[in-house]
Amino acid sequence: DAKTTQPPSMDCAEGRAANLPCNHSTISGNEYVYWYRQIHSQGPQYIIHGLKNNETNEMASLIITEDRKSSTLILPHATLRDTAVYYCIVTILTGGGNKLTFGTGTQLKVEL
Amino acid sequence: NAGVTQTPKFRVLKTGQSMTLLCAQDMNHEYMYWYRQDPGMGLRLIHYSVGEGTTAKGEVPDGYNVSRLKKQNFLLGLESAAPSQTSVYFCASSYSGGVDTEAFFGQGTRLTVV
Repeated sequence: DAKTTQPPSMDCAEGRAANLPCNHSTISGNEYVYWYRQIHSQGPQYIIHGLKNNETNEMASLIITEDRKSSTLILPHATLRDTAVYYCIVTILTGGGNKLTFGTGTQLKVEL
Repeated sequence: NAGVTQTPKFRVLKTGQSMTLLCAQDMNHEYMYWYRQDPGMGLRLIHYSVGEGTTAKGEVPDGYNVSRLKKQNFLLGLESAAPSQTSVYFCASSYSGGVDTEAFFGQGTRLTVV
């Protein structure tokens, strides 16, 4: 799986958009970009994933650059409950399923 | 719908003792996984299973054994616990290994080996 690079921490004001970057310059053509988050040492929670196209769901949007070497997770209106560690994961979905490789992620702190 | 349930939530073991961590899922998922998380680090895959009766090694399998006798349960065993196995253990499951599946995680088991 390709290696990812994320800033260790970010701050965001409540109500503002939180834009979390991820660099995955060695990504291969069949690798997907996944985002999970972990709140207060709870179990990680799936947010969104994509291959080439931008994706949006009820939680967030995922913007993947055309060359696929980086991506940005966007939380459109961050709340205090979005304070968590956010993990960007690049993985191939093989017969082994979701064998996710977690890095150290980005600690997002949402403040009033 | 409970999702993924881990038992126990906390445990303290003495070096050399054995124990089994139980993971149960009620979503009829084929795939199940065991991860460990050490302080300040991301999760690392210990073992996983792609279906009832199957298991496979992950990134850090040494010192652990697993069994998947029933589709809904995935057991993680420590035969002779060591202080290096002090960690938070997370179980996860997914419907398949396909592109449109997400992994669902349990709430974790905090294990301390003294």
